[in-house]
Amino acid sequence: QVQLQESGPGLVRPSETLALTCTVSGVSIYSYYWSWVRQSPGKGLEWIGNIYFGGTTNYNPSLASRGTISLDTSQRQLSLQLTSVTAADTGVYYCACEDFWGQGTLVTVSS
Amino acid sequence: QAVLTQPSSLSASPGASASLTCTLRSDINVGAFRIYWYQQKPGSPPQFLLKYKSDSDKEQGSGVPRRFSGSKDASANAGILLISGLQPEDEADYYCMIWQSSTWVFGGGTKLTVL
Repeated sequence: QVQLQESGPGLVRPSETLALTCTVSGVSIYSYYWSWVRQSPGKGLEWIGNIYFGGTTNYNPSLASRGTISLDTSQRQLSLQLTSVTAADTGVYYCACEDFWGQGTLVTVSS
Repeated sequence: QAVLTQPSSLSASPGASASLTCTLRSDINVGAFRIYWYQQKPGSPPQFLLKYKSDSDKEQGSGVPRRFSGSKDASANAGILLISGLQPEDEADYYCMIWQSSTWVFGGGTKLTVL
């Protein structure tokens, strides 16, 4: 059974760094590009970026280089760091590959 | 102009069919892309439904009923998700996605109401 489980703080202060982790089980971590996707309240899906096991990363240009995605294959964990957050970064953050998505974790940016 | 455009809403009756469109920007040829479709119900993550490039290059998501199917309308430069025999539980948001230069691009989503 494939499981993707996001974890991280639910509240982040403005201007600080959002850090999330996604643990992958039940599927080969070498078989997919692994993505982070977010969804602001009441809005659509926004792709943040992805990584392949060889270390290749791609990012949404709209993030203006604030995002960093890494992959620890030994721990089967995908990570996201998003710097200099603002209220506009509030939303549910999902880790995903094409066929599978995590349940998502809500991150609120507020002082 | 957005890369992928979806109508914001669509209504259909139980038992009927619904055709959800995903129109690609005019400089992007739908024939070159595999279109992915996701269903999202309130409070839940998106669920993969299917991917469709052609009748010989398509894949149904695990456990997804066959009444969900994909196609393309080349004349409209659009991908299509057809849902036949609509059921009340099909009421959800539907998103299309393509891979473009190693990145994902999503459509804005269509809210399907079954009434």
